[in-house]
Amino acid sequence: AQSVTQLDSHVSVSEGTPVLLRCNYSSSYSPSLFWYVQHPNKGLQLLLKYTSAATLVKGINGFEAEFKKSETSFHLTKPSAHMSDAAEYFCVVSRRNYGQNFVFGPGTRLSVLP
Amino acid sequence: EADIYQTPRYLVIGTGKKITLECSQTMGHDKMYWYQQDPGMELHLIHYSYGVNSTEKGDLSSESTVSRIRTEHFPLTLESARPSHTSQYLCASSDPRGGETQYFGPGTRLLVL
Repeated sequence: AQSVTQLDSHVSVSEGTPVLLRCNYSSSYSPSLFWYVQHPNKGLQLLLKYTSAATLVKGINGFEAEFKKSETSFHLTKPSAHMSDAAEYFCVVSRRNYGQNFVFGPGTRLSVLP
Repeated sequence: EADIYQTPRYLVIGTGKKITLECSQTMGHDKMYWYQQDPGMELHLIHYSYGVNSTEKGDLSSESTVSRIRTEHFPLTLESARPSHTSQYLCASSDPRGGETQYFGPGTRLLVL
């Protein structure tokens, strides 16, 4: 069984300040982990993924996430927020090599204040 | 940029009508998926397919049906739409050679009156 907890339903930061979106997972298997972003009225775009290689994963638009097995966490960070980062972010856990087992977290809405 | 398309993007329809939501991908992916997403909520898998002539139900029970006659095409059909079907429907595809990363279409927002 797998599950994902996104600890904050809404995060608000000022432009130029760091972003931290928290994700904890539970998985009975070796997990693959993903972060997706969804802008209003758009589909989901892959930000980054962890599939068993380096634990620090770099993604698009300056985002990165670190897989910490001991803490069962996969938090998403960015050093400096941009207005265009305002969106909904979903953390996803999957049983490695079993694509149909994607389990989505409830999402975190990121607001970026000028 | 993923090459996966959904039409229509928005649909408003009356109760009892039959509708088909189209999903096509040009990446040659064998696996395709349909998710349902209510506003502000997470995605729930309603159907998936391993390839041509393969369809399976997902975790969330749905009155919709799907078909997979061609690799690139995975339409979803509601025989008789009801207001409870109002939601956003997202289609995705993946390639095992790509680590099972799922690529999503832009979604169809359905409103049933």
